[in-house]
Amino acid sequence: QQQVKQSPQSLIVQKGGISIINCAYENTAFDYFPWYQQFPGKGPALLIAIRPDVSEKKEGRFTISFNKSAKQFSLHIMDSQPGDSATYFCAASMKTGGGNKLTFGTGTQLKVEL
Amino acid sequence: DGGITQSPKYLFRKEGQNVTLSCEQNLNHDAMYWYRQDPGQGLRLIYYSQIVNDFQKGDIAEGYSVSREKKESFPLTVTSAQKNPTAFYLCASSAGASYNEQFFGPGTRLTVL
Repeated sequence: QQQVKQSPQSLIVQKGGISIINCAYENTAFDYFPWYQQFPGKGPALLIAIRPDVSEKKEGRFTISFNKSAKQFSLHIMDSQPGDSATYFCAASMKTGGGNKLTFGTGTQLKVEL
Repeated sequence: DGGITQSPKYLFRKEGQNVTLSCEQNLNHDAMYWYRQDPGQGLRLIYYSQIVNDFQKGDIAEGYSVSREKKESFPLTVTSAQKNPTAFYLCASSAGASYNEQFFGPGTRLTVL
C-alpha cells in the first residue's frame, strides 16, 4: 500500500515556538521525501526535501528529521512566525515504470498565533 | 516569468457537462501532472505525462481525460462521467520523469452546480 500518514491534522503554535509535523510511510521503495507549503487558494510550493541516506537536513528555520528504521520523518519549524501559517504536506516519491511518482500525506493546517 | 499557469482560476459547471482545464508551462519541462485536492485528503494523482503524445493514468483517472500535443501544454477534461467533480485541481511539472522535484501551478477551483 503506497500510503503516507501525516499528523496532526491541525496545529496551533505560539509565535517563536517550534512547530512539529510527523509523517510515516510503509513502502521502503520510497527514495525521496519532500515537504510542501500551501497557502489558501494557491498551489503547493516545495519547502525542503531529504533522501533516506541522510538523517537530518536543515534550511534556515526548517529542518527535516528522518528515521529510516522507523520509516518516519518529520518537519520542524523553529521560531515559528505568523507568516508560517499555512497547510503543510509531506510526500514520498518512488521510481515506477512511468517515472517518479509522489504520494502525499493528508496535510497539516498550521496556525501561528501572536 | 518562468512558471506554470492554470486557467481559469474559478470554473462553474452544470451537471452533465464536460469542462476543460488549461495548464501551460514555460519551464521547458518534459513531465507534467494533474492532481486533485479535496479537504482532508491531500493531493491525488489523476494523470501524468512524461513526453509529448504520451500519458499514463494516475490513481484516480476515471471520469477524466488528457492530451499532450505540445510540450508546454497539458489540458485536463473533466467529463460528465466523473461522479464528484467539485474540487481544487492542480497542475505540476518536473524537468523529466526521473526528476523528483515537481513545481505546481496556482490551481483551478471547479464547482459543479
